[in-house]
Amino acid sequence: NAGVTQTPKFRVLKTGQSMTLLCAQDMNHEYMYWYRQDPGMGLRLIHYSVGEGTTAKGEVPDGYNVSRLKKQNFLLGLESAAPSQTSVYFCASSNVGIYSGNTIYFGEGSWLTVV
Amino acid sequence: GEDVEQSLFLSVREGDSSVINCTYTDSSSTYLYWYKQEPGAGLQLLTYIFSNMDMKQDQRLTVLLNKKDKHLSLRIADTQTGDSAIYFCAERDSSASKIIFGSGTRLSIRP
Repeated sequence: NAGVTQTPKFRVLKTGQSMTLLCAQDMNHEYMYWYRQDPGMGLRLIHYSVGEGTTAKGEVPDGYNVSRLKKQNFLLGLESAAPSQTSVYFCASSNVGIYSGNTIYFGEGSWLTVV
Repeated sequence: GEDVEQSLFLSVREGDSSVINCTYTDSSSTYLYWYKQEPGAGLQLLTYIFSNMDMKQDQRLTVLLNKKDKHLSLRIADTQTGDSAIYFCAERDSSASKIIFGSGTRLSIRP
């Protein structure tokens, strides 16, 4: 059981380039999330999805787009990368149900540097 | 909107208890969580508490929830060097869809 898998784990981009981060989960979770982590700022929610075909904006959505065409995958796109998007990106997924604690499972992170 | 706040740093002596505090603004939060992050790693769920509970204990960990003051704390008994990490408080909003994290508290252990 792989849990939540993110690819790639490391990437260096030039300003203006585009790229897509892929998140895959094999737990049949409805909810999926993309966060970014910056020093002293904790995790900030970029976008999230409550089911296949749905997406919603989080706290810091500007400069990012997402898609959830399949339930198990949640893609995060940077159309024109900027140095301010240098960060560690975490994907997460969650089940639903009051008896489960709605536990959130995280991927291992993707380190992105924009130069 | 929802907000979760924590102090950034905490230093304790090995063997003492650590208490990490968190405040949140969403009075209709359903679940509150504590996560641990070690250097270069992802987030590991330590424990969670449902909003209708006041306290939850799990081995060395004790979570206290004061709903009136919107205050959550994590107590780690007999703190060890392996407890050095960043600890994140998080809350799930009333719609159960969004999960908002605090900025994290870096716990360091003195010999």
